[in-house]
Amino acid sequence: DAGITQSPRYKITETGRQVTLMCHQTWSHSYMFWYRQDLGHGLRLIYYSAAADITDKGEVPDGYVVSRSKTENFPLTLESATRSQTSVYFCASRMAGNSGNTIYFGEGSWLTVV
Amino acid sequence: DQQVKQNSPSLSVQEGRISILNCDYTNSMFDYFLWYKKYPAEGPTFLISISSIKDKNEDGRFTVFLNKSAKHLSLHIVPSQPGDSAVYFCAAPEGFQKLVFGTGTRLLVSP
Repeated sequence: DAGITQSPRYKITETGRQVTLMCHQTWSHSYMFWYRQDLGHGLRLIYYSAAADITDKGEVPDGYVVSRSKTENFPLTLESATRSQTSVYFCASRMAGNSGNTIYFGEGSWLTVV
Repeated sequence: DQQVKQNSPSLSVQEGRISILNCDYTNSMFDYFLWYKKYPAEGPTFLISISSIKDKNEDGRFTVFLNKSAKHLSLHIVPSQPGDSAVYFCAAPEGFQKLVFGTGTRLLVSP
């Protein structure tokens, strides 16, 4: 049972570069999410998706782009990376139904923008 | 504006004692709360939840208490173990689709 996997796990990139973080889940969960974790801010929602081809902004969407052409994949793209986007990024998924259903997180992608 | 707040960034407890992690919320529409636990270099994992129709939910060593009038919940770990050392996030569903997380409390349980 692979669950939810993220790649790359660690990435260093330069300011202005485009970076894509991949997320793949094997549960056929309807919902997928991208969070970032920063000291003093906890987990903040970047984007989420309720189903294939349906995405919506979270709390901190600026500078990010998502797509969901297939249920199992939810890539996050930083179009022009900035130092403020240095963070740990977590992809997550859950079943359809209300938002109290358990969310399952990937192991995280550590991104450093220099 | 932070709708879910964890005002203590860290907590240190000795093994065998009680750990109490606190969480406050501002949105009176929240009716369900969850706690997630996160170890270093891993994603958060679900720990325990509570519905607003209850004021207490227990699962082994973990108990969550909810005080709706104070908009406050707390997670009690008894007895605390070194393996409980982690960051704990409280969270609440916002609307039908999203979870809002607090800033987290880092618990350190020393032997």
